[in-house]
Amino acid sequence: NAGVTQTPKFQVLKTGQSMTLQCAQDMNHEYMSWYRQDPGMGLRLIHYSVGAGITDQGEVPNGYNVSRSTTEDFPLRLLSAAPSQTSVYFCASRSQGGSGANVLTFGAGSRLTVL
Amino acid sequence: DQQVKQNSPSLSVQEGRISILNCDYTNSMFDYFLWYKKYPAEGPTFLISISSIKDKNEDGRFTVFLNKSAKHLSLHIVPSQPGDSAVYFCAAGGHGSSNTGKLIFGQGTTLQVKP
Repeated sequence: NAGVTQTPKFQVLKTGQSMTLQCAQDMNHEYMSWYRQDPGMGLRLIHYSVGAGITDQGEVPNGYNVSRSTTEDFPLRLLSAAPSQTSVYFCASRSQGGSGANVLTFGAGSRLTVL
Repeated sequence: DQQVKQNSPSLSVQEGRISILNCDYTNSMFDYFLWYKKYPAEGPTFLISISSIKDKNEDGRFTVFLNKSAKHLSLHIVPSQPGDSAVYFCAAGGHGSSNTGKLIFGQGTTLQVKP
């Protein structure tokens, strides 16, 4: 049981380049989300999804796109990277009901540097 | 507008003593609260949670207290151990239609437990 898997672990981009951070979970969780962690700012919600085909914006969605074509995958796309998007990104998932439904399971993170 | 705040960026305690981490929130619609622990280069891991219908929840050395009137929660670790040294995040969420179950995190508090 791998849990939440994020790739890549590290990435360096130049300003204006595009890339996709991958996230996959094998727990059949309906809810998936992306956070970014910055010093002094904690974890801020970028986008989230309550099921396949459904996505919504979080606290800091600008500059990011998401899609949810399957239950397992929730990729985060940066269309034109900016230095302000230098951060550590975490994908997280949880079930929508039952005991422990409120508990998010996080991936190990993807560290992105935009030059 | 930071809905969940951890006003102490860092805390240092001696091994064996009590660690108290604090968290304040502004949204009265939150109905559950969680604490996560994060080690460097890893994703956050769930520690303990509390529902808004309770004022205390205990799990081994960890106890979370909730004061709804003050919109304040705290995490007590007794006794503190060097392995507890990590960043601690509090998070809040709600099941109401305005929240859709998403979690909002605080800025984090770095706990150092000295041997």
